[in-house]
Formats: sequence, C-alpha cells, structure tokens
Amino acid sequence: DTGVSQNPRHKITKRGQNVTFRCDPISEHNRLYWYRQTLGQGPEFLTYFQNEAQLEKSRLLSDRFSAERPKGSFSTLEIQRTEQGDSAMYLCASSIRGDLSSGANVLTFGAGSRLTVL
Amino acid sequence: AQSVSQHNHHVILSEAASLELGCNYSYGGTVNLFWYVQYPGQHLQLLLKYFSGDPLVKGIKGFEAEFIKSKFSFNLRKPSVQWSDTAEYFCAVRENNRLAFGKGNQVVVIP
Repeated sequence: DTGVSQNPRHKITKRGQNVTFRCDPISEHNRLYWYRQTLGQGPEFLTYFQNEAQLEKSRLLSDRFSAERPKGSFSTLEIQRTEQGDSAMYLCASSIRGDLSSGANVLTFGAGSRLTVL
Repeated sequence: AQSVSQHNHHVILSEAASLELGCNYSYGGTVNLFWYVQYPGQHLQLLLKYFSGDPLVKGIKGFEAEFIKSKFSFNLRKPSVQWSDTAEYFCAVRENNRLAFGKGNQVVVIP
C-alpha cells in the first residue's frame, strides 16, 4: 500500500495518560500535516512539516501536544496528560511541495487514529 | 484568515435526484478550492479541485463544481445521484500551505 498509513487506528485511554500516534506519509511527499476531526465538524488544522522542519502550528495545539518528524519521513503526534476533550479522530495527510501543476497543495489523507479518552 | 461555509449540513434525497451542495469562502485573492468526500468507514478522498482556468471543474464519479469568483462560491453538483454517493462532503480552501475545511455535508441517498 503506497498511501498514508496511520497507527494505531483506535486508542482508548484514561484521562491523564499519554498517547502517541504515528504517521507514515507517501514516500515522495515532503510535506506532512496533522488535523483533528470531531463529530459534526470538518478537519481542523493542527500542524505541518516540510521535511523535518515544523513550519506552522495551530493555536489548537496546546502545550500538551507535540509533533515530530525527525528524519523527514514518518511523524509522531504525542498528547500528554490526555483530557476528555482530546477525544477525536487524528488525521495525517501528506503532499508534495512544488508548483500547483505538479500536484502541490493536494493533500492525501490517511484513515486516521481515533482517540477515546475515558 | 479564510473561512469556509457549507450549508444544509444534512441532505436526504432519493436515487436519481440531483444534488447541489453550497460552499462559500471568504478571501479576495487567488484561491485554490477543493471538495473532498468521506464514504462510510473510509478516509477522506479528493473529489475535485480548482486551481485556475475553466471555472467549471469535473471530478470523479460524475461530480462537478463551479467556481464563481463574484459570489465567492464553489458549489458541488451531480445531476443524478446513486445510493453509493451516500457520504460526507467537505469543501476546502487553501490558506498559505494548508487547507481550511468547512463543517461538511452529510448526504444520504435513499435507494
């Protein structure tokens, strides 16, 4: 499968625990995005990387959230001291950097990691 | 910052009916616009996109969308829906190097 892969697909945790999600983008894509989606809402931007550099973070990304992309390939999103309000689907997407005709700005999404905080 | 508005969040229609989903964005400059679809149990998939040129864009599965700059709109249409079009549809606009999404339209097609 050459698409965007996310693990785990489902995570149930107790409030206060830490969780980590992993995203493996399409191999030739140098941009990687994290979004969050709750019921009845569209995806909300959290952060994005170009190669290993984290170029933008949303105000939604509180201090308890941290994302890394150490070698410019896979990425992890960690949530510390989870709260019930963190329950959501966490989506990863990737794209290529380039001109629009090359397909830049077209995000390919993974299936998501669903977090339930009890 | 841009924002995307989608109306009629829940749409129920019968097979062979026509579908039109509204999308309005707030931005006066060059825009890149997208419609994504999420079928039940599946991930978000690109339906169609507008970057420049012909404002009438054709996508997969018989969908099309029309960019009307004067109305800040990018409405999605399909002349005759099928049961398999049951899904959630999201309009999105590019903000710098990321996409901003609307809240989505839940479409249910009754056989």
